Amino acid sequence: AQKITQTQPGMFVQEKEAVTLDCTYDTSDPSYGLFWYKQPSSGEMIFLIYQGSYDQQNATEGRYSLNFQKARKSANLVISASQLGDSAMYFCAMREGLAGRRALTFGSGTRLQVQP
Amino acid sequence: KAGVTQTPRYLIKTRGQQVTLSCSPISGHRSVSWYQQTPGQGLQFLFEYFSETQRNKGNFPGRFSGRQFSNSRSEMNVSTLELGDSALYLCASSLAGAGPNTEAFFGQGTRLTVV
Repeated sequence: AQKITQTQPGMFVQEKEAVTLDCTYDTSDPSYGLFWYKQPSSGEMIFLIYQGSYDQQNATEGRYSLNFQKARKSANLVISASQLGDSAMYFCAMREGLAGRRALTFGSGTRLQVQP
Repeated sequence: KAGVTQTPRYLIKTRGQQVTLSCSPISGHRSVSWYQQTPGQGLQFLFEYFSETQRNKGNFPGRFSGRQFSNSRSEMNVSTLELGDSALYLCASSLAGAGPNTEAFFGQGTRLTVV
């Protein structure tokens, strides 16, 4: 079974609008971390935001926030006030706590295009 | 503070050759992980090194190997290259023990093309 599922291969958003990128995950480990990365066409993976499984509040980093719904196993990324520079691939990833499973597992990604 | 540095950025190799890629982590980071990214398979974990020891390994053939030096710099080697090894190889640097809350910072990657 896939551990990270991103169901939106591509998304379009108008500049200055908000957009939500979906991510669901699957794990039986009570301790895990969820990450979002941005990958522009240059290839570098840029860390955006992190949410721990025991965190009580949703993570926020500037224009990025993570809508964490633990019971539903979802960790959606919300980008507020989109900018043209936000156009990129976005990956959701999970790191589990059990030894031997600590590698990051990535979803298939969502390509976001911000339109002027 | 310098980020993760991967060299070279681009490589073209012939089938059957071998290749070595290099990764210098962020200063003070002791964990280095390698990932392969292809259009078909997405991002897949290769292996992780911590304090010069391989701690985790993904599901890749033995042609893929790596090592880490005492200064935390890491190299990965692919022998007997195949066309399917063409990919973007990404290195990730983490501060400590790679627990679930450990952020990983990536380099710009090495784009390998096998012809």
